[in-house]
This record gives sequence, C-alpha cells and structure tokens, in this order.
Amino acid sequence: AQKVTQAQTEISVVEKEDVTLDCVYETRDTTYYLFWYKQPPSGELVFLIRRNSFDEQNEISGRYSWNFQKSTSSFNFTITASQVVDSAVYFCALSEGGYSSASKIIFGSGTRLSIRP
Amino acid sequence: NAGVTQTPKFQVLKTGQSMTLQCAQDMNHEYMSWYRQDPGMGLRLIHYSVGAGITDQGEVPNGYNVSRSTTEDFPLRLLSAAPSQTSVYFCASSLRLAGAGYEQYFGPGTRLTVT
Repeated sequence: AQKVTQAQTEISVVEKEDVTLDCVYETRDTTYYLFWYKQPPSGELVFLIRRNSFDEQNEISGRYSWNFQKSTSSFNFTITASQVVDSAVYFCALSEGGYSSASKIIFGSGTRLSIRP
Repeated sequence: NAGVTQTPKFQVLKTGQSMTLQCAQDMNHEYMSWYRQDPGMGLRLIHYSVGAGITDQGEVPNGYNVSRSTTEDFPLRLLSAAPSQTSVYFCASSLRLAGAGYEQYFGPGTRLTVT
C-alpha cells in the first residue's frame, strides 16, 4: 500500500536560513511518481515538481532543490536562503504507476513552513 | 482556457441536506479526482475517474457519489450531509505525458460547512 509521511508538522525559521522538508514514502511498485505541492495562505495548490522513480537525479530550480534517494525512500525538499514568501504548507505526494495512477495521488499530511522576517 | 473550475466556492448546509459540488475542466484530460482537505490530514482521495463512464473509490468514499458522463465534468454528490463532511474539497484533472508521467491540475477548492 502507498503511504507518505511528513514527520515535520511545523517548521519556523528566520529569513535567509536554509530549510529542509522531509518526505518518506512507502510503495511496493517499482514504477511510481513523487510530487511536491505548495499551498500558500490563499489556499490554492501549486505544483512544484514531479519525479519519476527511474530518475534519481537531484534537481535544482533557483532556491529550491530536491533530493531523491530510493535507498532510504525519501524525497526531501530544501529551500536555500528562505524568504517570507516561502511561508506555506508543503505537501509531498506519491502515485504508483499503472492505468489509473494519474488519479490516485496519495498526499502526506503536510509541513507548515513559517519564515520570520 | 479556464483550467479546472469548481462551484460553488463556499457552501453551508444543514445536516441531512444533499448537494452537488461541480467540477469542470476544459483541457480534455482523461483523469479527474476529488479530494478533501482537513486540518493536519493533508488531502485524502474521495473518488476518481480514468475516463468518461469509469469511476472508482479512493480512501474516503463513504457519503459521496460521483459520475462521469462527459470528459469535462466530474460532479461530487453529498447524499445526506453530516458535520464530519465539513472540509475543503478540491477537484483535480491530470494529463498523462508520454514517457514522462503526468501533470495534475487542481481547482481552487470549495469550502463546505455542515451545521
């Protein structure tokens, strides 16, 4: 069965600090997809990244970076030089491969990130 | 191109009332889903559909019905509202990309309160 664990319920850091959000997943499939979404205070869900299970390359996008490690079933998200606008709830999500995988994305419980000026 | 639209944005129901949350997408996506979001619990999948005429249950289907008569629309019906169904509801649609997984698009959400 699928499961996504985000053990950090809330994180608060001072602006310009680096912060890492942890995500640990469980799946029996060899083909699966991992995602990160951002939910700012306005409430919409913003897609950040998708990663295929066959692609373990880490990814960097500006101040954001993602570390995917199959050996530890983790897909961690780091924000470098955090800014107040990064304050949001961040969700990690997992979907197993298969015909209906696009519709069965399972979410973690989210990490509320607060960046203090 | 409006993406995924949901109506209404806010709704208050009394216990026992029924209603339908509307969801529509204009991207010709095959896959659509309904999630509910409760504090501290992330998003939980209610029902999903892999195409017109095909639906299936997610994690928390009890108390909800869905149908998919067209590619564009995926309404969610609350049969007899209960206070436990107070939540924010998100509809999503996704497009499978050849060899690269897929992209999921979320609607803006419907905030439902059952008193």
